[in-house]
Parts: sequence; structure tokens; C-alpha cells
Amino acid sequence: QKEVEQNSGPLSVPEGAIASLNCTYSDRGSQSFFWYRQYSGKSPELIMFIYSNGDKEDGRFTAQLNKASQYVSLLIRDSQPSDSATYLCAAADYNQGGKLIFGQGTELSVKP
Amino acid sequence: ETGVTQSPTHLIKTRGQQVTLRCSSQSGHNTVSWYQQALGQGPQFIFQYYREEENGRGNFPPRFSGLQFPNYSSELNVNALELDDSALYLCASSLAQGAGGETQYFGPGTRLLVL
Repeated sequence: QKEVEQNSGPLSVPEGAIASLNCTYSDRGSQSFFWYRQYSGKSPELIMFIYSNGDKEDGRFTAQLNKASQYVSLLIRDSQPSDSATYLCAAADYNQGGKLIFGQGTELSVKP
Repeated sequence: ETGVTQSPTHLIKTRGQQVTLRCSSQSGHNTVSWYQQALGQGPQFIFQYYREEENGRGNFPPRFSGLQFPNYSSELNVNALELDDSALYLCASSLAQGAGGETQYFGPGTRLLVL
């Protein structure tokens, strides 16, 4: 059973701090990884994706991938109350048309 | 906005009934994937359609079925509804280019309640 694991949280950080969200995956064949943000009652919204080992930055967001450790993370710098949401990590399964295997999500709360 | 639309937004059914959910993919996308998201959980893959053919299926019973039309829009049909089918149903569209793992963009979802 291919799995993606995340701490469910809640993770609470003060406004302006760095939020660090972590994810591990079981399938060494996974090559593409995605971070989605989901506000309560809404659908997942893509934040960023990463394919290569190392860091990928997009504005206040940095995704990190370590394939040897099967570990993906998302850093949010200068966290804002509007970042409060559930963050979903997903791995693409190439053996099934690129279906996404999601973790259960980490709830982030940014306190003013 | 992703350009992916779903209808209806909300639906209430009773156990044993049948339901059809609809999805229009983003312009230029040829692949539609359906996911079920129970409260407090991550989305679970139901199946994917590419060029009107099923292209992968998750661990869901045959009473979950689907279609993709020539314009790449899609339907999800669920027969003999059970209480556990109550969930948010998400459609995601992507542009398949043969390699797999393409970015998927989600529609707003259909919230189904089975009583």
C-alpha cells in the first residue's frame, strides 16, 4: 500500500514566523510531489510542485525534496493569518496515470 | 480560479438512491481525475479518464462508475448510495503528455450527503 504521511497538527505559529510542514512517502518510485492548500469548506488549491532533489522557491514558499530520505517539506516564510488552512502533500503514482496519493493534511494556524 | 467547474455544488440523497456528478475540465486539458474526500481526511483517488477511457482506478467498488465525453467533460455515477458515501467529491483536470505526474487542478467540489 503506497502511503503519504503527514502530521495532522494543528501546527500553530505566530504571524511573521516560518511555518514548516513535513511529509514522508513510502513509494521510492514516486517522482513528482505536490503541495495543496485547502481552506475549510473549499477545494484544494495548488501551491507548488517539485520533481528534483533540493529546494524550490516561489515567493514566500519553499518546497524541499530529499528522495533518499523519502521526505518532502514546505516552508512558509513570513506567515500570515490568511495562510491558516490545511496543507495537503501528494505524491504522483506514475503506474496509475499519475494519480495523486494524498496525506491526511496538516492544519496550520497562524496567530496574529 | 482553475477553470474547472463542477455541478451540483451540494446534494442530499437517501440510502439506495443513485447520483450523477458532473465536471467540466479546464480549457486545453484532456484528463479528468475524480477523488472522494471524507471529513478530516485527504482526497482518495476514485478513477481517471483520458481520451474517454478509464486510465486507472482506486480502491472503490464497481457501483462507482464514470464517463468522459469528447469535449473532455466527465461524469461520476454512484449507484446504491450508502451512508459512507457522504463526502466532498472532487474533480481534477490535467494535460496528460505521456509521462504521468502532470499537475492536477481541482474544481470546487460537490458535497454529497446521504441520509
